[in-house]
Amino acid sequence: EVQLVESGGGLVQPGGSLRLSCEASGFTVRNTYMSWVRQAPGKGLEWVSIIYSGGNTSYTDSVKGRFTISRHYFKNTLYLQMNSLRTEDTAVYYCARVSSSWYFPYFDYWGQGSLVTVSS
Amino acid sequence: SSKLTQDPAVSVALGQTVRITCQGDSLREYYASWYQQKPGQAPVLVIYGKDNRPSGIPDRFSGSSSGNTASLTISGAQAEDEADYYCCSRDSSGNHYVFGTGTQVTVL
Repeated sequence: EVQLVESGGGLVQPGGSLRLSCEASGFTVRNTYMSWVRQAPGKGLEWVSIIYSGGNTSYTDSVKGRFTISRHYFKNTLYLQMNSLRTEDTAVYYCARVSSSWYFPYFDYWGQGSLVTVSS
Repeated sequence: SSKLTQDPAVSVALGQTVRITCQGDSLREYYASWYQQKPGQAPVLVIYGKDNRPSGIPDRFSGSSSGNTASLTISGAQAEDEADYYCCSRDSSGNHYVFGTGTQVTVL
């Protein structure tokens, strides 16, 4: 059974850092595309970042240069290192498994979400 | 990047049919996927590709696409279908993903 379990969220001051983790089971993270998606309170879904099976990464413009997506080969875990956090980064962050299809993109499994609150 | 636009809210009588649309330029090249999200829960994939349903998704959910518009249809809506629905695809560059603005579905 595929499962994704996030951890690492919490309260952080503006300008601070936080690292989210997403432990996967039922499949191998390094062989799969994996993404982070966030949802600000009362708002819609926003794609944040992706790491491809080959290791290439991509980010939405608003987090580029501040966030880094990575994975641990042996721990089967996805990470999101978030630096220089801003109040507008406050959101529930979901990790999700992504299809490898270029023309039929979809997120088939999602974690339960981890709340990140950026506030002084 | 490009946007995917959805109607903010629709309502449907119990047992009737409702169609939710998603418009965006990138949909001329890439298929949309659709997600159901209930309050306090993670999104759930309901439709992907041309018209594919993951295991466990009722067959009252179906998808279609024409030009720059993708549609999700719920045929015979049930009370448990009341939720927010989001479309998603790649943006025009192909390098990023974009979610639609979301549609709140109310079952009357």
